[in-house]
Amino acid sequence: RKEVEQDPGPFNVPEGATVAFNCTYSNSASQSFFWYRQDCRKEPKLLMSVYSSGNEDGRFTAQLNRASQYISLLIRDSKLSDSATYLCVVTTPQGGKLIFGQGTELSVKP
Amino acid sequence: DARVTQTPRHKVTEMGQEVTMRCQPILGHNTVFWYRQTMMQGLELLAYFRNRAPLDDSGMPKDRFSAEMPDATLATLKIQPSEPRDSAVYFCATGLSSETQYFGPGTRLLVL
Repeated sequence: RKEVEQDPGPFNVPEGATVAFNCTYSNSASQSFFWYRQDCRKEPKLLMSVYSSGNEDGRFTAQLNRASQYISLLIRDSKLSDSATYLCVVTTPQGGKLIFGQGTELSVKP
Repeated sequence: DARVTQTPRHKVTEMGQEVTMRCQPILGHNTVFWYRQTMMQGLELLAYFRNRAPLDDSGMPKDRFSAEMPDATLATLKIQPSEPRDSAVYFCATGLSSETQYFGPGTRLLVL
C-alpha cells in the first residue's frame, strides 16, 4: 500500500464547476499536510497547508480528518487556469521528509 | 524573486556515461532535497542535506548514484554509470525546513 493515495483522475470539468479531490495517508503519526500544484512540465509548487480545523484560501478549501487519515481539497468556481496536477503531501512522523501522492490531474474546459 | 537554479535543464546521454546535475539553493536555505519524478513512480525523494550534511539518502541507489554539497551554494547529484531506467525528471528543492520547500525547474534526463 502506498503511503499517500489519491483519486486517480483525470477530472474533466467545465468552467465554474466545483471539484473535490481526496487523499488518504497510511501513517497515523504523520505530522503535517499540504497540497501542491504541478503544471505540465513544470516544478511542483505549494498550494496550501492543511490544518485539522480546515482552511480556506479564496476558492480553495482544504480539510484534514486525522481520525480517518483523510485529506481533501475543494475548488469552487473552477477556472481554466486551475488545470494542473494536484499533489497530496504528508510529512513523515519525524517531520524530516515530504511524501508525495501520485497526483490527480484536473482539466477545466471552457 | 529568489529561485532555485538547476543545470542542465535537459540532458540526453548514452548508457554507461556519467551524468552530473547541479543545483544552486536559494541564498540562506540550509536544507536541500533531491527528487526523481517518473510517470510510473511519481515523485520520489532520493536524498537530502541540512547545513551541507547528508541526513538521508535511503531513496538513492547507492551503487551508481551519489549526492554531495561541496559548499552552501552548490549541490550535485551524479549518476555513474547511467542506465536507461534512470530517465526521469530530477528536481532539487531547498528551504529553511523540510516543510517549506521551493522546487527548481528540474533536469530532464534521457539515457539512451
